[in-house]
Amino acid sequence: GEDVEQSLFLSVREGDSSVINCTYTDSSSTYLYWYKQEPGAGLQLLTYIFSNMDMKQDQRLTVLLNKKDKHLSLRIADTQTGDSAIYFCARGSSASKIIFGSGTRLSIRP
Amino acid sequence: EAQVTQNPRYLITVTGKKLTVTCSQNMNHEYMSWYRQDPGLGLRQIYYSMNVEVTDKGDVPEGYKVSRKEKRNFPLILESPSPNQTSLYFCASSSLRQGGNSPLHFGNGTRLTVT
Repeated sequence: GEDVEQSLFLSVREGDSSVINCTYTDSSSTYLYWYKQEPGAGLQLLTYIFSNMDMKQDQRLTVLLNKKDKHLSLRIADTQTGDSAIYFCARGSSASKIIFGSGTRLSIRP
Repeated sequence: EAQVTQNPRYLITVTGKKLTVTCSQNMNHEYMSWYRQDPGLGLRQIYYSMNVEVTDKGDVPEGYKVSRKEKRNFPLILESPSPNQTSLYFCASSSLRQGGNSPLHFGNGTRLTVT
């Protein structure tokens, strides 16, 4: 299977929380990342977590890491229309390589 | 402003006509990389460079060349483009640090169509 896996689509109602999930296969990763891609733009780093952490919170964003299950999630509280984008999970595999998932397209319903 | 600049943003060409996509960064980053983004496949690494005159293949290097003569520039060259190279291309850069990766800074992308 793919090294980093995420579902392709997620739809949430405006104001609700969004939870984007990601699984990976290689437990040797030191850093795990979430990138956001808005239409017509490159990827922008949202947040990252070191592999010895369980959780990281940054304003509306909460990252949870379950290292035993190799599961990473990104929670966006109070989701707004400006959060519509593609979200990429990624893991660092070496100093020269970051491996990306296929991206989850988040759409917001009014 | 710290940025990665790619040119052009859009390019339509014909099979076999050599082209170059330029990439420049102003952050003094050692590491630069090219990715292609295709629907359902995420980002796949084409080539990367750890420093000047040091380049290496990524996961999908066939049909591409790169060079790193200066630290700030990392052009992507398609000597004989083919339709399967139609894609969205991203250049990215980062500093190198011990023990793991630094986050990547991305350009805005180049959408290439080969007919």
